[in-house]
Amino acid sequence: QSALTQPASVSGSPGQSITISCTGASGDVGDYTYVSWYQQHPGKAPKLIIYGVSNRPSGFSNRFSGSKSGNTASLTISGLQAEDEADYYCGSYTSSSAVFGGGTKLTVL
Amino acid sequence: QITLKESGPTLVKPTQTLTLTCTFSGFSLSTSGVGVGWIRQPPGKALEWLALIYWDDDERYSPSLKTRLTITKDTSKNQVVLTMTNMDPVDTATYFCAHHMITSIFDSWGQGTLVTVSS
Repeated sequence: QSALTQPASVSGSPGQSITISCTGASGDVGDYTYVSWYQQHPGKAPKLIIYGVSNRPSGFSNRFSGSKSGNTASLTISGLQAEDEADYYCGSYTSSSAVFGGGTKLTVL
Repeated sequence: QITLKESGPTLVKPTQTLTLTCTFSGFSLSTSGVGVGWIRQPPGKALEWLALIYWDDDERYSPSLKTRLTITKDTSKNQVVLTMTNMDPVDTATYFCAHHMITSIFDSWGQGTLVTVSS
């Protein structure tokens, strides 16, 4: 199963909104609602920030939102803050395996 | 509160077999729908899913690494063990274990353990 496709990098200024895309195939992102997003700061473990395409874990900031259209899932971060600078990964699950995207480095200018 | 912690060697030689243990608390691997997965991340690179084991002993493996991986569980000890044979320098990575539910995929992660493959 091929990795999901994400842009290598995105950037934005504090207060702005950015969107990170995650493109899969009909066998993963397209067919399933099991899409998650993870935030990873340098030297740290990934942290779940979105699951089931658009659900946030309890207590997590509502500045983060997720959506899906066809084979592409998206993560939107609104009101960018300095602490949002990190790597972001999408993940999907099929009936037989899990797969991650190649990761997107978010730079807050 | 779910916690997971990886343990194992930090250095292995090429061709050796790597054995990593994930010790967890805060959930039971005998609960329906629950699984534990292994994911690795080479330095500066992306996450790569390796294997999953479910409460009912169902095992899933990355197609590209399937022939080298074995995942087992010891429910009484709250542990999951991953073995990877024929290690190569390209397998140098931080190895994470994570709690799995199908809806959230991997919702809690261990801190990771760096494994270096070198002679």
